[in-house]
Amino acid sequence: SQTIHQWPATLVQPVGSPLSLECTVEGTSNPNLYWYRQAAGRGLQLLFYSVGIGQISSEVPQNLSASRPQDRQFILSSKKLLLSDSGFYLCAWSDVREQYFGPGTRLTVT
Amino acid sequence: GNSVTQMEGPVTLSEEAFLTINCTYTATGYPSLFWYVQYPGEGLQLLLKATKADDKGSNKGFEATYRKETTSFHLEKGSVQVSDSAVYFCALSRMDSNYQLIWGAGTKLIIKP
Repeated sequence: SQTIHQWPATLVQPVGSPLSLECTVEGTSNPNLYWYRQAAGRGLQLLFYSVGIGQISSEVPQNLSASRPQDRQFILSSKKLLLSDSGFYLCAWSDVREQYFGPGTRLTVT
Repeated sequence: GNSVTQMEGPVTLSEEAFLTINCTYTATGYPSLFWYVQYPGEGLQLLLKATKADDKGSNKGFEATYRKETTSFHLEKGSVQVSDSAVYFCALSRMDSNYQLIWGAGTKLIIKP
């Protein structure tokens, strides 16, 4: 069966520090991968999606970036965090018509 | 363009009450429709889905029927429980771009004992 992992589960970082969140998928190959952000009490905001290694599409211009160095690995990064980057970050993968979500990373920027 | 509109929350009900969360959509073609649920502090889980008009998705006592004539996919449950307290998201598949999902804003449901 397919499994999706995210880490860390929680993270507290100061403003201006770098960020690296990792997501890996098991049990499937060549999945579409997604990064979402959910601000407190808000809906889902699609940040990036990827249809293959090295192929990243950005939905929202900001100080975040994403990379896909391996087929089942998706990384969300920032060189300098802002207070507004706080939120709940969700990774997801999809087959033809359904998305499967990881457990999420709670990021607090102080 | 494609979009999903959900009723605003929070929706507060007593245990055993009947639940309806409205969802309407605009889309070209024939999208698939989904309801996802997010329990506190967790990621999202697929609750149910429907892939064509008049299909009824159902799971855990929840139901939703794909109504093309009213472009709706309302979520219903006959008797809610405290454990149903969560945020519910309606979504449609974006068939023109690798089946990305277009999301509603989410509706928070609070069930009181």
